[in-house]
Amino acid sequence: ELKVEQNPLFLSMQEGKNYTIYCNYSTTSDRLYWYRQDPGKSLESLFVLLSNGAVKQEGRLMASLDTKARLSTLHITAAVHDLSATYFCAVDIGNQFYFGTGTSLTVIP
Amino acid sequence: EAGVAQSPRYKIIEKRQSVAFWCNPISGHATLYWYQQILGQGPKLLIQFQNNGVVDDSQLPKDRFSAERLKGVDSTLKIQPAKLEDSAVYLCASSLEQGGTLETQYFGPGTRLLVL
Repeated sequence: ELKVEQNPLFLSMQEGKNYTIYCNYSTTSDRLYWYRQDPGKSLESLFVLLSNGAVKQEGRLMASLDTKARLSTLHITAAVHDLSATYFCAVDIGNQFYFGTGTSLTVIP
Repeated sequence: EAGVAQSPRYKIIEKRQSVAFWCNPISGHATLYWYQQILGQGPKLLIQFQNNGVVDDSQLPKDRFSAERLKGVDSTLKIQPAKLEDSAVYLCASSLEQGGTLETQYFGPGTRLLVL
């Protein structure tokens, strides 16, 4: 059974701090996506990672992919309140997306 | 560029009633997806269309759910009859083509269904 697990599920952090969200998946894939979802809103694409070792950065967020370890990370640098949201990773298996459980991030001023 | 459109945005029905959702993907996007997102969980793929053909519907509860994509553009998802556990947000997404090198899926705002 395919599993896409994120941890932590809930994260509360202070502004200015750094933290990493982890996405583990149980089967081979070399495509992984990160999405952001604000409360009551739909999903917004953040990053597309298409190969082993891929690293993408946008503002205070940086995502990486290790296909051998079946692991992706989303690193947050110097968090700000605007980053509060739920973050999902999604693994592309056979052109189908399997979403992780989500990480609910709250940045405290 | 217009995004993925969905309607209605909210729907409240009683169990055993029927409901239908509509999705209009981004113009030119060949692939269309319907997801179910239960509160506190990630989206779960229900059905995937490539143009007007079904690519995968393995997780669609076919005894009560149906979907179609006539003419390869708009799509409708129907539930008949609805159960309490169908309460969720139904998300429609589209992508330019299946299996492309940069296949980000673009999501619509979703339809929030509450079954009483």
